[in-house]
Amino acid sequence: EAGVVQSPRYKIIEKKQPVAFWCNPISGHNTLYWYRQNLGQGPELLIRYENEEAVDDSQLPKDRFSAERLKGVDSTLKIQPAELGDSAVYLCASSLMVKRSGSEQFFGPGTRLTVL
Amino acid sequence: RKEVEQDPGPFNVPEGATVAFNCTYSNSASQSFFWYRQDCRKEPKLLMSVYSSGNEDGRFTAQLNRASQYISLLIRDSKLSDSATYLCVVNRPSNYQLIWGAGTKLIIKP
Repeated sequence: EAGVVQSPRYKIIEKKQPVAFWCNPISGHNTLYWYRQNLGQGPELLIRYENEEAVDDSQLPKDRFSAERLKGVDSTLKIQPAELGDSAVYLCASSLMVKRSGSEQFFGPGTRLTVL
Repeated sequence: RKEVEQDPGPFNVPEGATVAFNCTYSNSASQSFFWYRQDCRKEPKLLMSVYSSGNEDGRFTAQLNRASQYISLLIRDSKLSDSATYLCVVNRPSNYQLIWGAGTKLIIKP
């Protein structure tokens, strides 16, 4: 079974440029997460989708970040314009369902973003 | 106080030794606890869930101490391949979110 797929794996851009990341979750997983992980830190949730609905985007910097999950499957995360502080690894994860007690999440390989 | 706290390490441990590290959490209503493993420049992967009664998976033992609000991970007979960062994850019941610790780095030396 294919795991979570992300692209691109690496991206280098100059500040103020736009950038987009794409994620294809595990087939059948209705919940999708976007995380940002800085060096030496744990993943920080940016947004969580249940099917096509964003149910938790409280930590998404909405002035420059946007996300969508078309038809409840693939998802894209966009940053416009990028800032130096956005350099990080952007991880996508999916799970079969969100239980009140938490569900195992399966992660993609991440996109390593460098903003110059 | 952070919701989930871990000693960042690194823990430098000789091969074959036993090592243990803890993770403290602040929300007494949390019900689910996990240990994830993250290799350098790789994505996190679930190592084990932590059950109230404690659980064991081969050389790995996880325990929960509700009274003191911490979970622990014990690794026996450590292998070189155990070198990784171990992330503690705790649920926040109010919004079903999983809160991640910053991780404990473990280095197993030959």
